[in-house]
Amino acid sequence: SQQGEEDPQALSIQEGENATMNCSYKTSINNLQWYRQNSGRGLVHLILIRSNEREKHSGRLRVTLDTSKKSSSLLITASRAADTASYFCATDGGNFNKFYFGSGTKLNVKP
Amino acid sequence: DTGVSQDPRHKITKRGQNVTFRCDPISEHNRLYWYRQTLGQGPEFLTYFQNEAQLEKSRLLSDRFSAERPKGSFSTLEIQRTEQGDSAMYLCASSLENRDGYTFGSGTRLTVV
Repeated sequence: SQQGEEDPQALSIQEGENATMNCSYKTSINNLQWYRQNSGRGLVHLILIRSNEREKHSGRLRVTLDTSKKSSSLLITASRAADTASYFCATDGGNFNKFYFGSGTKLNVKP
Repeated sequence: DTGVSQDPRHKITKRGQNVTFRCDPISEHNRLYWYRQTLGQGPEFLTYFQNEAQLEKSRLLSDRFSAERPKGSFSTLEIQRTEQGDSAMYLCASSLENRDGYTFGSGTRLTVV
């Protein structure tokens, strides 16, 4: 399978804590993306990191990429109840035609 | 509205009926994708278009499924002779290039009874 797999499958934290989610994949990539999905809704693009980048930031989000380990992590700092959602990583499997999604990490931030 | 629009939001149909979904991408995006998502899973790739050309179809897309994107604008996804296993959320996304992030629509939830 070419898709990324997120770990853990579920994560429950208190508001204000940091949340870290990991993604591992099997084939070489050009890009890796992270998306958020609120229950029953479409996915929202959070951040795209290219294979020649190691770290990217966007507001409270920090994404790292280690191509030697074929893994990425998403860190959400100072989490809020509104961050409660499922988070997916998506990899392009080395071509630019489409992205493959993992099964996601379900994050619950308790107020 | 500059987002991706999908219609309808919900569809309940009887087994064996045909259904058609519509997706209106962001107007300047030349790539359009269809994904299917079942409960607790990530989206699975179905097919994608670059302008009006359908460039790739997943093996998940059986002969009962057909997608079109006439004139490279909106797209339709038709499912013929629906089965209970077709029940899922059908997501449409568009992008300018695959090097960019996708913009997803809110999806069409299909329930086959």
